[in-house]
Amino acid sequence: NAGVMQNPRHLVRRRGQEARLRCSPVKGHSHVYWYRQLPEEGLKFMVYLQKENIIDESGMPKERFSAEFPKEGPSILRIQQVVRGDSAAYFCASSPPSGGLNEQFFGPGTRLTVL
Amino acid sequence: RKEVEQDPGPFNVPEGATVAFNCTYSNSASQSFFWYRQDCRKEPKLLMSVYSSGNEDGRFTAQLNRASQYISLLIRDSKLSDSATYLCVVNRNGGSQGNLIFGKGTKLSVKP
Repeated sequence: NAGVMQNPRHLVRRRGQEARLRCSPVKGHSHVYWYRQLPEEGLKFMVYLQKENIIDESGMPKERFSAEFPKEGPSILRIQQVVRGDSAAYFCASSPPSGGLNEQFFGPGTRLTVL
Repeated sequence: RKEVEQDPGPFNVPEGATVAFNCTYSNSASQSFFWYRQDCRKEPKLLMSVYSSGNEDGRFTAQLNRASQYISLLIRDSKLSDSATYLCVVNRNGGSQGNLIFGKGTKLSVKP
């Protein structure tokens, strides 16, 4: 069984460009989460989605960041007009449908570097 | 007070040693607790969930004290491969879904 897949693994952007990060959850998982990890910092929650719905976006910056999880296809985290401070590792996690302890399984991450 | 607090370490121990990590959390409504490990520049991997009665998985034992809002992880007979950063993780919401709050991690280095 494939785990959580993320691509690209590494992404380099110049200031002002757009970054699109993709995440395919574990097959059968209906909950997707995005986290950001700055260098030497812990993981910080950004957004929680189910298919076609944003459940909790309390960790998302108010501007430039958006996320979606369409009915078909992967979840997308989009960062417009990137700045150097957006350089970080972005991890996606998924969990099975409701119930249980909410164990989340992480993808390998996308490392974004903004020049 | 931070939502999840851990001693950052590093803990430098010889192979075969027993090492314990502690963690405190601030939200008394939290219902789910976990230990993850993260190797350098890799994703967090679930090590074990933490149950109210405490639980053991091989050389790893986790304990939860709800009254003190305290979680612990004990590693016995440390191996070189245990070297990693150990993350204490708490489910923010009281329910079964919701985002996870991560501690900054405790770094463990096991030496030959």
